[in-house]
Amino acid sequence: EPEVTQTPSHQVTQMGQEVILRCVPISNHLYFYWYRQILGQKVEFLVSFYNNEISEKSEIFDDQFSVERPDGSNFTLKIRSTKLEDSAMYFCASSELASGGGTQYFGPGTRLLVL
Amino acid sequence: SQELEQSPQSLIVQEGKNLTINCTSSKTLYGLYWYKQKYGEGLIFLMMLQKGGEEKSHEKITAKLDEKKQQSSLHITASQPSHAGIYLCGADRPNTGNQFYFGTGTSLTVIP
Repeated sequence: EPEVTQTPSHQVTQMGQEVILRCVPISNHLYFYWYRQILGQKVEFLVSFYNNEISEKSEIFDDQFSVERPDGSNFTLKIRSTKLEDSAMYFCASSELASGGGTQYFGPGTRLLVL
Repeated sequence: SQELEQSPQSLIVQEGKNLTINCTSSKTLYGLYWYKQKYGEGLIFLMMLQKGGEEKSHEKITAKLDEKKQQSSLHITASQPSHAGIYLCGADRPNTGNQFYFGTGTSLTVIP
């Protein structure tokens, strides 16, 4: 069964460093998403991406964040200069249709720890 | 802002018991999804409900959406340790392209 994959599973970084989290969405899906879950808190929407551009973003997704689909299979989330409060589990998701019509399938997550 | 409240926040049941988790919205839901999250892992899609009064079942899990589309329940029959995890309801945020938001989560422990 097709699934969303994410790498790395864990990432430890120093505050101020750049990190890139990688995702491979399900191959025939067209909509891609990033979510964040700070330990003990809700899963929060960060950004959605369609047709090589951001379609929606939340208040959390500030200028420190960027997303890219560098090739036909990968979808990345970059945090330019990490802060302690960026420590969280980051989930990638993809769907065949837009939210409202398509179920989002989630990857296993990348646990980011900023020291 | 639109919120999804889940109850109970946590649940501990004996194996074999039935249980129900609720998800309530202050506004009409356009697409209600149930996911399960194993501790420290990703979210697994369980079911999607869209129509008022809709009910879906998969194995021992049944989800319902009320007629007013403001409340959903997830019912597990004869619970097993494999059902343990965090259950999240999620919904599409109206009047947005692709925003999706989650409920507060219900942590389920099943004691063998």
